[in-house]
Amino acid sequence: SQQGEEDPQALSIQEGENATMNCSYKTSINNLQWYRQNSGRGLVHLILIRSNEREKHSGRLRVTLDTSKKSSSLLITASRAADTASYFCATDGHTGNQFYFGTGTSLTVIP
Amino acid sequence: NAGVMQNPRHLVRRRGQEARLRCSPMKGHSHVYWYRQLPEEGLKFMVYLQKENIIDESGMPKERFSAEFPKEGPSILRIQQVVRGDSAAYFCASSAQPDANSPLHFGNGTRLTVT
Repeated sequence: SQQGEEDPQALSIQEGENATMNCSYKTSINNLQWYRQNSGRGLVHLILIRSNEREKHSGRLRVTLDTSKKSSSLLITASRAADTASYFCATDGHTGNQFYFGTGTSLTVIP
Repeated sequence: NAGVMQNPRHLVRRRGQEARLRCSPMKGHSHVYWYRQLPEEGLKFMVYLQKENIIDESGMPKERFSAEFPKEGPSILRIQQVVRGDSAAYFCASSAQPDANSPLHFGNGTRLTVT
């Protein structure tokens, strides 16, 4: 079964607001990655956080990782309409052979 | 465009026919992953290949499905005798290194419809 589970399933916010998505996973990991998928397109890698890191920033993105709770969050600050997409977390399940994806959070940013 | 290229983008097959999905990884990448995505769902791992080798096919059905990544040419995901339940988007991804710290680069997928 898939390892990551995102929460919420869907999120709708006004442009300029912050969006927070959460991901929970089940087993130990080497790292956790976040991806974005626009409708009808492939996934695009956003950010990777290693298991020994607690927080990472990239532009308007902030990712946290709590390995004791097996959870991660993705914060998008000052959201834009172009941020409308589905967001997935992915973990390697400590094997490196497979990347387990969650079911995603569908984000809608209203202009 | 040096990204991951998948073709065709859309494929329609009747039940019982064969479907062949192609994936050319990014230049310099020798690790290819195939995933399947059903509507409103996440991606489910199918198979991981390196050049001429299947490394992990634990996510691929034992029957009707096969994958290859020859020394020359694209990776091929082959579905024989397709059924309606095979209708999905199939994504290919590639990476440069065989470790978990290398992000995956995805193609735009092949949308298979079985009628």
